[in-house]
Amino acid sequence: EPEVTQTPSHQVTQMGQEVILRCVPISNHLYFYWYRQILGQKVEFLVSFYNNEISEKSEIFDDQFSVERPDGSNFTLKIRSTKLEDSAMYFCASSDLTGGHLYEQYFGPGTRLTVT
Amino acid sequence: TQLLEQSPQFLSIQEGENLTVYCNSSSVFSSLQWYRQEPGEGPVLLVTVVTGGEVKKLKRLTFQFGDARKDSSLHITAAQTGDTGLYLCAGGPSGTYKYIFGTGTRLKVLA
Repeated sequence: EPEVTQTPSHQVTQMGQEVILRCVPISNHLYFYWYRQILGQKVEFLVSFYNNEISEKSEIFDDQFSVERPDGSNFTLKIRSTKLEDSAMYFCASSDLTGGHLYEQYFGPGTRLTVT
Repeated sequence: TQLLEQSPQFLSIQEGENLTVYCNSSSVFSSLQWYRQEPGEGPVLLVTVVTGGEVKKLKRLTFQFGDARKDSSLHITAAQTGDTGLYLCAGGPSGTYKYIFGTGTRLKVLA
């Protein structure tokens, strides 16, 4: 069964460093998302992406964040200068536009980002 | 600010009992999803509802979308220990491409 994959599973970085989190969405999906979940808190929407453009972003997704689809398979989230409060689990998700399945998002296993 | 409130937050029941989890908002949603999340893993989609009043069944789980598309419920019949987990609702507010997650209901089913 097709699935969303994410790498790395765990990333430890020092405050102020740049990190890139990688995702490979399900191959025929066209809508992509990033979410984060701080330990013990709810899942928070960061950004949605379609047709090589950001469709929507939350207040959390400030100038320190960027997303890119550098090739036909990867979808990345970059944090330019990490802060302690960026420590969280980051989830990638994708959905299919066809057949009314736009709303069905499939999530990856997540990348645990620890900023020290 | 659009919010999805889930109730109860925690629920502990005996195997074989029935239960209902609620997901409420003051906002209208284009769709609403229910997920289950295990510790350290990503949410796993259970169902999507898009039409007001819609009812969907998945084995012992019954999902309903409110007529006004502002709320939803998840009913589990004859709960089993394997149903233990964190249940999340998530909605896409009308006219947006962002999704809001609920606060979650942590269910524990005791043998």
